[in-house]
Amino acid sequence: QQKVQQSPESLSVPEGGMASFNCTSSDRNFQYFWWYRQHSGEGPKALMSIFSDGDKKEGRFTAHLNKASLHVSLHIRDSQPSDSALYFCAASADTGYQNFYFGKGTSLTVIP
Amino acid sequence: GPKVLQIPSHQIIDMGQMVTLNCDPVSNHLYFYWYKQILGQQMEFLVNFYNGKVMEKSKLFKDQFSVERPDGSYFTLKIQPTALEDSAVYFCASSLDRTANSDYTFGSGTRLLVI
Repeated sequence: QQKVQQSPESLSVPEGGMASFNCTSSDRNFQYFWWYRQHSGEGPKALMSIFSDGDKKEGRFTAHLNKASLHVSLHIRDSQPSDSALYFCAASADTGYQNFYFGKGTSLTVIP
Repeated sequence: GPKVLQIPSHQIIDMGQMVTLNCDPVSNHLYFYWYKQILGQQMEFLVNFYNGKVMEKSKLFKDQFSVERPDGSYFTLKIQPTALEDSAVYFCASSLDRTANSDYTFGSGTRLLVI
């Protein structure tokens, strides 16, 4: 069973629109969550982390974590064509080593 | 920013042969990781490595897999012998320490095709 599930699988938004991604975990040991972005042919790059309940905003990106429901989301406002990429949710437990569990990813296309 | 370099970017190999994937981690990082991503699936943790030793490995880290970093050179993943199901993209990552806030950097991956 996948420990981290993402939705939707793919998403298209117009330039300037809002893109929203969802992630749910099935493992209550997970304490730390990240959002990664991967452009074609590149490795994943960390967008932002969230470790506490509530919202965390960094520029156009806002993450939200609800530890009780193990749900984390990412919202990108004013989406740009350069935001088109694969977005991964990643989680880790407080076991001492930061081994990530990834979701399958959401493919975002921003239409100019 | 600092980068993790993976060599080669692509590799095609006959089933049963040995393959070595190379990773040049960020220079001051102390913890190293390998992940495997089969096409269309999520990236999955294989192994982590610190101070010359494997600290943790997953069920995907078969007996045919081994890792090492001799004398601070490349951090390598060796598969011997290779099997068809080893075809995947292998990502190397490195981090400075074990904390959740640590800088954790991924390479661009090695695309391995076993035929």
